[in-house]
Amino acid sequence: GAVVSQHPSRVICKSGTSVKIECRSLDFQATTMFWYRQFPKQSLMLMATSNEGSKATYEQGVEKDKFLINHASLTLSTLTVTSAHPEDSSFYICSARAGTGHTEAFFGQGTRLTVV
Amino acid sequence: AQSVTQPDIHITVSEGASLELRCNYSYGATPYLFWYVQSPGQGLQLLLKYFSGDTLVQGIKGFEAEFKRSQSSFNLRKPSVHWSDAAEYFCALYKTSYDKVIFGPGTSLSVIP
Repeated sequence: GAVVSQHPSRVICKSGTSVKIECRSLDFQATTMFWYRQFPKQSLMLMATSNEGSKATYEQGVEKDKFLINHASLTLSTLTVTSAHPEDSSFYICSARAGTGHTEAFFGQGTRLTVV
Repeated sequence: AQSVTQPDIHITVSEGASLELRCNYSYGATPYLFWYVQSPGQGLQLLLKYFSGDTLVQGIKGFEAEFKRSQSSFNLRKPSVHWSDAAEYFCALYKTSYDKVIFGPGTSLSVIP
């Protein structure tokens, strides 16, 4: 399958600072990327959907000013957690899709964010 | 309303035994269904998917799943479990009208020697 690289895999930051997470499709062009958040022992919750060159579409309850998503190219999307707080600590996962509709999306390895 | 349910939060099986993980979905339109596996601290790997056609779908690592429209189910099976199969398993549904994938709550699988 296609490869999606997510970086960093782990990050610890101080409360109040911002953290950027990158999601790259290495061998295909991703027209759509998805960002998920996963709490321990829980399922993946979709945060937002981004299409290359467009503004991201956020799920209800997700603060778009706190979780900034940029999808500037067909191979890169970034999630920036601004003014991070301990409650933002979580596992963040991206996925990338080349086609449209129900075509398969490939997942990154995830990023463990810890805010201290 | 929960679109995807996985009734079993945790399952323990002996190595070599057969496995069935249950998944039920609720969706009025054509369901596109997936099974993913997640190892601790890792992303998700696609095991198999159902879009249309044959209702028995073969996947990687010896897994298969059967789509039953009458029961709104898409159960995952494996005839003989290996210790390396211990992981979290997620059933997922692609909602065409919303262009998004909804994940079930997951089933944690433990394998005992």
